[in-house]
Amino acid sequence: AQKVTQAQTEISVVEKEDVTLDCVYETRDTTYYLFWYKQPPSGELVFLIRRNSFDEQNEISGRYSWNFQKSTSSFNFTITASQVVDSAVYFCALSASGANSKLTFGKGITLSVRP
Amino acid sequence: DVKVTQSSRYLVKRTGEKVFLECVQDMDHENMFWYRQDPGLGLRLIYFSYDVKMKEKGDIPEGYSVSREKKERFSLILESASTNQTSMYLCASRPYDLKLYEQYFGPGTRLTVT
Repeated sequence: AQKVTQAQTEISVVEKEDVTLDCVYETRDTTYYLFWYKQPPSGELVFLIRRNSFDEQNEISGRYSWNFQKSTSSFNFTITASQVVDSAVYFCALSASGANSKLTFGKGITLSVRP
Repeated sequence: DVKVTQSSRYLVKRTGEKVFLECVQDMDHENMFWYRQDPGLGLRLIYFSYDVKMKEKGDIPEGYSVSREKKERFSLILESASTNQTSMYLCASRPYDLKLYEQYFGPGTRLTVT
C-alpha cells in the first residue's frame, strides 16, 4: 500500500523567510511518481512538479526548489523568500507508474505568509 | 489549455435528496477521478474511471456511485444525501501516460447537505 505523510499541518512565516514543506512517502514499487500541488484560497489545485523515482536530481524553479532523497523516502519542497501569494495548502502525492494508477495524497500543509 | 469543469461551485441539498455532480473535461483524457476534501483529511479518492463505462472504487466509495457514459463526462451520484457528505468535491482527469502528464483538477463543488 502507498502512503504519503505530511507531518506539518500548519506553518506560519513572515514574508521573505524561507520555508520547507516536508513530505515522506511509502511504497513497494520500484517505479513511481511524486507530485506537489498547490491549492490557493480559490480552491483549484495547481500542479507544481512531477518527479519520477529514477530521477533524484534536485530541481529549482524560481523561488521553488525540491529535494528528492530515495534513501530517506522524502520529497521536500522549499520556498525561498516567501511571499504573501504563497499562502495556500500544499499537497504532496504519490502514484505508481501504471496507466490506471491513482494518486495517493498527503493531508496537506497550510502555509500562511504574513506581510 | 486543459480544462476540467464542474457543474456547480456551490450546492445546497436536503438530507435524502439524490444529488448529481457533473464533471466534464475537454482534452480526451482516458482517466477521470472524484475526490472529496475535508479539513485535516486531505483528498480522498471516491471513485475513478479509466474508460467509458468502466469504474473502480476508490478509498471511500460508500454512499456514492458514478456514471461514465461518454469519455468527457464523469458524474458522481449521491443516492440519498446525508449530512456527513457535506464536503468539497473535486474532479480530476489525466491521460494514461503519467510519464508525460499530470492530473488536472476542476475548481471543485462545495456541497452542503442540510
